[in-house]
Amino acid sequence: DARVTQTPRHKVTEMGQEVTMRCQPILGHNTVFWYRQTMMQGLELLAYFRNRAPLDDSGMPKDRFSAEMPDATLATLKIQPSEPRDSAVYFCASGPGASYEQYFGPGTRLTVT
Amino acid sequence: GENVEQHPSTLSVQEGDSAVIKCTYSDSASNYFPWYKQELGKRPQLIIDIRSNVGEKKDQRIAVTLNKTAKHFSLHITETQPEDSAVYFCASAGSYQLTFGKGTKLSVIP
Repeated sequence: DARVTQTPRHKVTEMGQEVTMRCQPILGHNTVFWYRQTMMQGLELLAYFRNRAPLDDSGMPKDRFSAEMPDATLATLKIQPSEPRDSAVYFCASGPGASYEQYFGPGTRLTVT
Repeated sequence: GENVEQHPSTLSVQEGDSAVIKCTYSDSASNYFPWYKQELGKRPQLIIDIRSNVGEKKDQRIAVTLNKTAKHFSLHITETQPEDSAVYFCASAGSYQLTFGKGTKLSVIP
């Protein structure tokens, strides 16, 4: 049963530090999405990629967030510098591309103190 | 951009009863409507989806209906069980980008 994997699962860091979250999409999937989930805002799309090319990152604060896909098996989301308001669960999802289905990873719970 | 409204935000039902969650969307170009179930501390899981060329789809105890004219779609769960307790999200898409509703917390009372 193929699944999206994410690391780390939990991260506690101090304000101002750099945070890097990693995602391994399901093998063969060519669309990758980054979401942020908070109680107040729900699930928000931050960025997404198709065939490793960024298609939309309008949901990200550009001054501190960056998303990349160095290769087809790895997507990264970086926050530099981190702020307490970035505390949330960050989900990666991937999809086969031929349809709109998306399958979520287990998430990274980020706490910025 | 697309806007998805989901109701109710919380729903309590007795075990064995049915549960219905409703969503409306704004973009008439949307043509894909998935539903996700998220248990506490877990990932959202795709449980059923429907495309705009279909009016209804069933999978065992869950079903989804779509009314494209009215721009609304619904999730129906029959014979609810305690393990159905979770937050359910609807979403819509006209391309690869999903827009999610705010979620419905379903509690099934044994």
